[in-house]
Amino acid sequence: SQQGEEDPQALSIQEGENATMNCSYKTSINNLQWYRQNSGRGLVHLILIRSNEREKHSGRLRVTLDTSKKSSSLLITASRAADTASYFCATPLGGGAQKLVFGQGTRLTINP
Amino acid sequence: KAGVTQTPRYLIKTRGQQVTLSCSPISGHRSVSWYQQTPGQGLQFLFEYFSETQRNKGNFPGRFSGRQFSNSRSEMNVSTLELGDSALYLCASSFVAIGVGQYFGPGTRLTVT
Repeated sequence: SQQGEEDPQALSIQEGENATMNCSYKTSINNLQWYRQNSGRGLVHLILIRSNEREKHSGRLRVTLDTSKKSSSLLITASRAADTASYFCATPLGGGAQKLVFGQGTRLTINP
Repeated sequence: KAGVTQTPRYLIKTRGQQVTLSCSPISGHRSVSWYQQTPGQGLQFLFEYFSETQRNKGNFPGRFSGRQFSNSRSEMNVSTLELGDSALYLCASSFVAIGVGQYFGPGTRLTVT
């Protein structure tokens, strides 16, 4: 079963606008990770936020984590055509956090 | 540093056959994980190896197996292929713990006919 559920499933915006994706999860976590996947390719690790952090930035990316609501959001500012991809949240589970469980992903399309 | 490599990139097999996929992790990385990605089920964890030992396994039938060699390279094998095994198989590596972020390979696209 999926640990994370993402919302929306698909998002289409104009270049230059901001894109926000949300992720909800079910169990307690040590950290939450966001990945990007360009069409049919491997995943690229974007950012990791630990359970004791509330917000983290990396370039045009801003991630928030609300452990009380078991939710996280990924904000991409000033979007570019190259940001078109699927975005996944993932949480490590299992003893020793040896299993990474992914959400279903948000398909982001940036229109020029 | 070279990234995670997977071979082959594309594969077409017939039902009932078996297949072996290979993954070479980033140099120095000792943890290798495998995932199956399908449109219906999304990304699902198959198993993780560390120092030649399987540390965790997902909910897949015994037809799916793997191993890791002393140089950290890993292989996964699927026996008695079914149509539903058609998927993108992704390999990921990390230095020690899976929970600190992983580096993914480009994947092997397996089509079962």
